[in-house]
Amino acid sequence: DIVMTQSPLSLPVTPGEPASISCRSSQSLLHSNGNNYLDWYLQKPGQSPQILIYLGSKRASGVPDRFSGSGSGTDFTLNISRVEAEDVGVYFCMQTLQTPLFTFGPGTKVDIK
Amino acid sequence: EVRLEESGGGLVQPGGSLRLSCAASGFTFNSYELNWVRQAPGKGLEWISYISSSGSTIYYADSVKGRFTISRDNAKNTLYLQMNSLRAEDTAVYYCARLLGAVSHWGQGTLVTVSS
Repeated sequence: DIVMTQSPLSLPVTPGEPASISCRSSQSLLHSNGNNYLDWYLQKPGQSPQILIYLGSKRASGVPDRFSGSGSGTDFTLNISRVEAEDVGVYFCMQTLQTPLFTFGPGTKVDIK
Repeated sequence: EVRLEESGGGLVQPGGSLRLSCAASGFTFNSYELNWVRQAPGKGLEWISYISSSGSTIYYADSVKGRFTISRDNAKNTLYLQMNSLRAEDTAVYYCARLLGAVSHWGQGTLVTVSS
């Protein structure tokens, strides 16, 4: 199984400031087709997870452009250019290379300082 | 609007059984593969089962293999999870989820508590 790790696990943020979350996989998620099979989700308090980024860097429909994903192979980053109060919650990365044997990162809890 | 609505959760004793349902709407149900994912209280996400659009291909996580059975009724637009031989460690919120990149979507989840 592909093991996913994230850092930090807790991230206090200041509204208006940038924030960054790292995700690493135990195996490369880069497919021969050039896509990185890594998704990012946000689980807001009391809600189910919602897709933010898929294939490493593609923003899902309706996701604000302050969210961006980057990276390749085994190292990925989710960036928030200017954090807003509504961005609090737990951010998960998920590998989709070994579909359907999906595995998730442990989650990064983002809250307001 | 895509909707996935889980039901069937509740309190069950260790060794007991429960059947979860997930009613889908807003998309062509029989065209999409679906999954069950669970989240223990205060913990992360764990994928536990997959079923193809036709139901012909099924996978399970090792943690539930041999105890849980996924199925679907494409005529009723409903996904199921039959859970047998339940253990305390199966206590979690169970989500049905379409895990397909740009069109990923999750239900609101149903809580299963295994306790005597």
